[in-house]
Amino acid sequence: GEDVEQSLFLSVREGDSSVINCTYTDSSSTYLYWYKQEPGAGLQLLTYIFSNMDMKQDQRLTVLLNKKDKHLSLRIADTQTGDSAIYFCAESIGQAGTALIFGKGTTLSVSS
Amino acid sequence: KAGVTQTPRYLIKTRGQQVTLSCSPISGHRSVSWYQQTPGQGLQFLFEYFSETQRNKGNFPGRFSGRQFSNSRSEMNVSTLELGDSALYLCASSLEGNANPHFGNGTRLTVT
Repeated sequence: GEDVEQSLFLSVREGDSSVINCTYTDSSSTYLYWYKQEPGAGLQLLTYIFSNMDMKQDQRLTVLLNKKDKHLSLRIADTQTGDSAIYFCAESIGQAGTALIFGKGTTLSVSS
Repeated sequence: KAGVTQTPRYLIKTRGQQVTLSCSPISGHRSVSWYQQTPGQGLQFLFEYFSETQRNKGNFPGRFSGRQFSNSRSEMNVSTLELGDSALYLCASSLEGNANPHFGNGTRLTVT
């Protein structure tokens, strides 16, 4: 079945770049997502990428997709303490809708 | 525009009881999915409804069920509650074909 894996923790210093990696298994996924969750808060969609794209840039965020290796990454440039949160990678089940398979989340800790 | 509304926000139930959670999607959204979030298992997909039909289903026992009404509002029901059902239950909605699921703030269920 579908599965999404990501590393559990990442620690960086303020001003550095953060790279969070994710692997997925379902090659038929149409969209791949990155969500952010702060303590006690809901899920915030950061960005998504269509499966036929290699890269997407949105301000400080860069998403890279290697479809051959089923590898997705999120790069946050100039990481700030406010970026400290849990980041979830997710793949769509089939076409676009609300059915997603999530990874267990990467806790990003940013120190000043 | 109102976001995804989940009621109630908090719920405390006893083992063996049943519970019904409600989700009102954003106006015009017809795809609704439910997720269970726990510290150990992360975010797990329960099921997706579209136009009152279950379109996708996760790997949960039959005690977990859902439905969607003609106005796209959705309910999920858990029967014979177990301690392990304690979790944050999240609902997401989206327009069909739109890669931007919006999440509600969730219902926190505690089973004692």
